[in-house]
Amino acid sequence: AQSVTQLGSHVSVSEGALVLLRCNYSSSVPPYLFWYVQYPNQGLQLLLKYTTGATLVKGINGFEAEFKKSETSFHLTKPSAHMSDAAEYFCAVILYNQGGKLIFGQGTELSVKP
Amino acid sequence: DAGVIQSPRHEVTEMGQEVTLRCKPISGHDYLFWYRQTMMRGLELLIYFNNNVPIDDSGMPEDRFSAKMPNASFSTLKIQPSEPRDSAVYFCASKAGTGVQETQYFGPGTRLLVL
Repeated sequence: AQSVTQLGSHVSVSEGALVLLRCNYSSSVPPYLFWYVQYPNQGLQLLLKYTTGATLVKGINGFEAEFKKSETSFHLTKPSAHMSDAAEYFCAVILYNQGGKLIFGQGTELSVKP
Repeated sequence: DAGVIQSPRHEVTEMGQEVTLRCKPISGHDYLFWYRQTMMRGLELLIYFNNNVPIDDSGMPEDRFSAKMPNASFSTLKIQPSEPRDSAVYFCASKAGTGVQETQYFGPGTRLLVL
C-alpha cells in the first residue's frame, strides 16, 4: 500500500514564481512528515518536518509546509523560486505501524527557468 | 562534524564480483540506515541498525546482500555476487535518539554500476 504520494514527477516554474510541490499520505493516524531535498550527485538534506504542534512548519531556504489532516496532505511551498532551488524533492512519512521506518515518495524534480 | 561519510563514492564492477560499500555515521548517533535509490523503485530502506544491532532487514532484496555494523563508527553493505540490476545509488543515514521523529542525516551516497 502506498503510504505517501507526490503528485507530479516534474514541476517547472519561472524564477520568482510560487513553488508548490504536492504530497499526500495514506494513514488513519497522523504520521510524522518530512520534506527532503536532493541536489545533483548529493545526499538528501532535511528541509523541514512536522511532528506535533503548529501545523505550518517553516524550513530552510524559505520553504514551508502545512499539515492538513482533513486533506491528508503536507504540500511544500516557497513564495518565490530561485535558480538554486532546482533539485529533487522528496516527501517522506514515518508511520507508527511501520516500526519507525522512513517511507519516501517517488520524488518531484523541480526546474527553475530564468 | 564531518557528517555521514561513505566510500567509495563511485564503484564500477563486473557481474559476479563482490562489492563492499562502507559507511561512517555521525559520531554519537545510535541508529544507522542503508537505503537504495533507483529510477524504477525510488528510495527504499534496506536495513537499519540500533546500537550496532540489526533491527529490521526486511528490505534487503535477497541473500546476496548482507550488512554488518561491527562497531558504532562503521558499517558495511556487501553484495556477493553482484548483478547488473544492483546498479543504483546506495545511501547511508544516521540519527540520534529513540524518537522516531528524529532527523536522519544522509551521506553523499555510493553510485554503483554493475556491468
